Amino acid sequence: DTGVSQNPRHKITKRGQNVTFRCDPISEHNRLYWYRQTLGQGPEFLTYFQNEAQLEKSRLLSDRFSAERPKGSFSTLEIQRTEQGDSAMYLCASSFTLGNSPLHFGNGTRLTVT
Amino acid sequence: GENVEQHPSTLSVQEGDSAVIKCTYSDSASNYFPWYKQELGKRPQLIIDIRSNVGEKKDQRIAVTLNKTAKHFSLHITETQPEDSAVYFCAAANMKGTGNQFYFGTGTSLTVIP
Repeated sequence: DTGVSQNPRHKITKRGQNVTFRCDPISEHNRLYWYRQTLGQGPEFLTYFQNEAQLEKSRLLSDRFSAERPKGSFSTLEIQRTEQGDSAMYLCASSFTLGNSPLHFGNGTRLTVT
Repeated sequence: GENVEQHPSTLSVQEGDSAVIKCTYSDSASNYFPWYKQELGKRPQLIIDIRSNVGEKKDQRIAVTLNKTAKHFSLHITETQPEDSAVYFCAAANMKGTGNQFYFGTGTSLTVIP
């Protein structure tokens, strides 16, 4: 399967703990996005990379969230001091740079903060 | 930023009937409009997209129309089948420049009744 891969699929953590998720995009794609999705809502933009550069970050994203894409390939999203409100599906997507290229989503990481 | 509104939030149709989902957007700079289908527990998957220089696009039973002046676009599914049951999301993006955020609607849960 050469699609977008996310790990882990599920994560249950206690409030206050740190968590880290990983995303491996489609290899030819140089754009990588992180979205958050809660039940009954559409994906909400968190942040976006072009190669290793983080070009945009949502104003809704608190300082507890940080993302990296050190070599322009895989990316990690870390949430520090998790809160119950962080419980959601975290989706990663990738796309080409040129033209009107659609997003290709991974299966997501479902985070539950207890 | 862009604001995408989607209606209806739920839609039930008899098998064989047509389904129409409507979206509006606020940013006239948006020029790319993809539609995604998300089945329960699965990733959003692109089903059709339209660029701003086109008014209509069709792919078998699925069609999308775009009215740039009114800033709205619609998804039309004809001859619906039970396997069309899913949540559908519209999105808008400005693919020029470095932003390239995709803004999603809140989704339409479509149920096709056999």
